[in-house]
Amino acid sequence: GDSVTQMEGPVTLSEEAFLTINCTYTATGYPSLFWYVQYPGEGLQLLLKATKADDKGSNKGFEATYRKETTSFHLEKGSVQVSDSAVYFCALEMGSNFGNEKLTFGTGTRLTIIP
Amino acid sequence: EADIYQTPRYLVIGTGKKITLECSQTMGHDKMYWYQQDPGMELHLIHYSYGVNSTEKGDLSSESTVSRIRTEHFPLTLESARPSHTSQYLCATQDREGTDTQYFGPGTRLTVL
Repeated sequence: GDSVTQMEGPVTLSEEAFLTINCTYTATGYPSLFWYVQYPGEGLQLLLKATKADDKGSNKGFEATYRKETTSFHLEKGSVQVSDSAVYFCALEMGSNFGNEKLTFGTGTRLTIIP
Repeated sequence: EADIYQTPRYLVIGTGKKITLECSQTMGHDKMYWYQQDPGMELHLIHYSYGVNSTEKGDLSSESTVSRIRTEHFPLTLESARPSHTSQYLCATQDREGTDTQYFGPGTRLTVL
């Protein structure tokens, strides 16, 4: 079945460091890919998404590119801030054409930024 | 942006009690979901609904039940709570048309003693 493998955490970085959180997927067909973020005590929020190969999603300085050849959707940010401390989830959705509109999540990566 | 409300936000209850976790939304989204989130953060889909009178079990077996009598509400019920039900429960919605984005509520943190 469909699955998402996400870089294990926790990840601790200093402020202004470069961030990469790896995400790879297994799916039959061409899923939509997402990064969600969960701040302490809150639900998940969509951070960015990409719906087809070579699309780049971006938001709040974060970017991720849909790479079909490597089945990856790595999250990057050039200079992290303390306010980026949160748990990040990679996810995929196959879409209604496949009769499966449910999200499949990775296990989450806890990111802590130190001032 | 969807407005999704979950009540209560925190609940501590004794074993054997019946509880209902409320989820309501104001955007008229047809699709709604319940996730159970481990202390280790992993999310598991336990129930979903694609509209009124539609409910399905998710990927993780759960002793809870759900109902969808109105579009706005998707309550989750545990008939007899046990310590193994201690978890965070997240509700989400999704519009039937257009965007495939799911919108999440703030969650209910349940502790069963």
